Amino acid sequence: SQQGEEDPQALSIQEGENATMNCSYKTSINNLQWYRQNSGRGLVHLILIRSNEREKHSGRLRVTLDTSKKSSSLLITASRAADTASYFCATPAPNAGKSTFGDGTTLTVKP
Amino acid sequence: DVKVTQSSRYLVKRTGEKVFLECVQDMDHENMFWYRQDPGLGLRLIYFSYDVKMKEKGDIPEGYSVSREKKERFSLILESASTNQTSMYLCASSSRDQPQHFGDGTRLSIL
Repeated sequence: SQQGEEDPQALSIQEGENATMNCSYKTSINNLQWYRQNSGRGLVHLILIRSNEREKHSGRLRVTLDTSKKSSSLLITASRAADTASYFCATPAPNAGKSTFGDGTTLTVKP
Repeated sequence: DVKVTQSSRYLVKRTGEKVFLECVQDMDHENMFWYRQDPGLGLRLIYFSYDVKMKEKGDIPEGYSVSREKKERFSLILESASTNQTSMYLCASSSRDQPQHFGDGTRLSIL
């Protein structure tokens, strides 16, 4: 069963607005990963945040991690229509390859 | 650049057929995975392999088998295809607990 949960399931915003997606997980982690999936394609890794980090930036992406609450958030600033996609968080088992993926947030950015 | 290649983007088969989905990675990753993705159900792990000739069941292995004779290749086999196996199939590879690299997916229809 999926342990990661994204919230909200769907998000619709206007171009230029910020989009925030949240992820909760249940087990201890070494890192948490965020992925993006365009319709009909495979997932693409966006950003990894380690368990000893609280915040990480990559371009217009900002990820936070709160291990005490077992939660993470992905913020996309100044969104573009091209950001329209589904976004997933994933938590790999420590020292192993198997990951638990959330159910994803579907983001629609209207031009 | 990193590449995971799935043999077919679209595949149509008939009920009862034996179906082979092939996946090849060029990154010398020890871990390889097969997922299926259905609307509203997220990514579900079918099988994964952490070494040549090694395999472990995921969350939904029933009706599937896998083969990993070489490190770069991981095959998913539908022993006797059924209509409820119509889905998007995603292959991925990784090293240890690092991000997974995904192929573009195979959209399989069983008629």
